[in-house]
Amino acid sequence: GQQLNQSPQSMFIQEGEDVSMNCTSSSIFNTWLWYKQDPGEGPVLLIALYKAGELTSNGRLTAQFGITRKDSFLNISASIPSDVGIYFCAGQRGSNYKLTFGKGTLLTVNP
Amino acid sequence: DGGITQSPKYLFRKEGQNVTLSCEQNLNHDAMYWYRQDPGQGLRLIYYSQIVNDFQKGDIAEGYSVSREKKESFPLTVTSAQKNPTAFYLCATKDLGQLINEQFFGPGTRLTVL
Repeated sequence: GQQLNQSPQSMFIQEGEDVSMNCTSSSIFNTWLWYKQDPGEGPVLLIALYKAGELTSNGRLTAQFGITRKDSFLNISASIPSDVGIYFCAGQRGSNYKLTFGKGTLLTVNP
Repeated sequence: DGGITQSPKYLFRKEGQNVTLSCEQNLNHDAMYWYRQDPGQGLRLIYYSQIVNDFQKGDIAEGYSVSREKKESFPLTVTSAQKNPTAFYLCATKDLGQLINEQFFGPGTRLTVL
């Protein structure tokens, strides 16, 4: 099955720094989702995007649905130690109920 | 307490044995999904079900089987035919009645085959 190209694979940052990660695809998606996974737990939904160009915030997190509908990015501002985890993008195409996932970005925040 | 329950959290089995992973939900969601996660990999779809008594293969169904006898339950059996069964298994649900595409995940089961 197709997977999304998510980058970077990992990031090591200092507390207080801003973070940016993105997902790209050669295919058009009608929904983009961003999840966070803590070690040994299931992913938790952070932000859902449904319209091209849409910019949505959830606290210090901001995500955008790319104009071409082939990409999305997630920004985290003023990172804190509890931001540590794996961030996944996921996209849905057409009326298919299946999601396609990126391989994840592992974020490490140094206090 | 609403949500998705996966049990057990950790499971150990000997090679060649079948093992069944449990997934129960009380969210009244129509669709249920099973994913496999390996280190450094994204989530890969094993099987999914949109309605009771019906299910479809995902991208990596070989060596796995499922059943959907009740709306609340979607157990996954890892058979001895699965070549590399050690992994983290995640169950997810989705409400097909809502105009949203979010899937919600359970806490996962880590299966180790010795």
